[in-house]
Amino acid sequence: KNEVEQSPQNLTAQEGEFITINCSYSVGISALHWLQQHPGGGIVSLFMLSSGKKKHGRLIATINIQEKHSSLHITASHPRDSAVYICAVRRNTGNQFYFGTGTSLTVIP
Amino acid sequence: NAGVTQTPKFRVLKTGQSMTLLCAQDMNHEYMYWYRQDPGMGLRLIHYSVGEGTTAKGEVPDGYNVSRLKKQNFLLGLESAAPSQTSVYFCASGTREYQPQHFGDGTRLSIL
Repeated sequence: KNEVEQSPQNLTAQEGEFITINCSYSVGISALHWLQQHPGGGIVSLFMLSSGKKKHGRLIATINIQEKHSSLHITASHPRDSAVYICAVRRNTGNQFYFGTGTSLTVIP
Repeated sequence: NAGVTQTPKFRVLKTGQSMTLLCAQDMNHEYMYWYRQDPGMGLRLIHYSVGEGTTAKGEVPDGYNVSRLKKQNFLLGLESAAPSQTSVYFCASGTREYQPQHFGDGTRLSIL
């Protein structure tokens, strides 16, 4: 049983395409994070959301608390966006932080 | 801007050997975490610390020990390495409990 599910697992896109990565979770949460893991292995926090929408450059993250769902969008994708994108949630009861297994994105020039 | 620094980056051990992974952060964060990342699984919490001198068990603590003698350092020890501990280990730090914000680059550990 995985408290955080991501889709798709793997995604290949042409440069310039609009990309959507989905995250669904099964527990009540106080915050949701989107992380980026580059091929070299390092992990960078992109967004922390508790409601609504956040935008940073070409990245947009949205969350629907009622539906327990979040999306990460990348506009005008570029090969440097190729990475694994990880969704993680902080549960609102108890002391737990759950990570999804990640979506591997490859953007082809 | 160092952030979170992990050493070493790679290590190969034989079964039964011991070693210590070092994590150092320069952001004065109270909270520090050790995770392991295995293929097909999300990151899993091994141990964490809510401040200097404190440690607590996470989801998968067996076979590991930790220490936080100084606020900026969080050490992860393997007393007797087993092949099941082959993994990529990440250290993280943050300002809120159970919310890692900054991650190190990882340590790739292979146990033969």
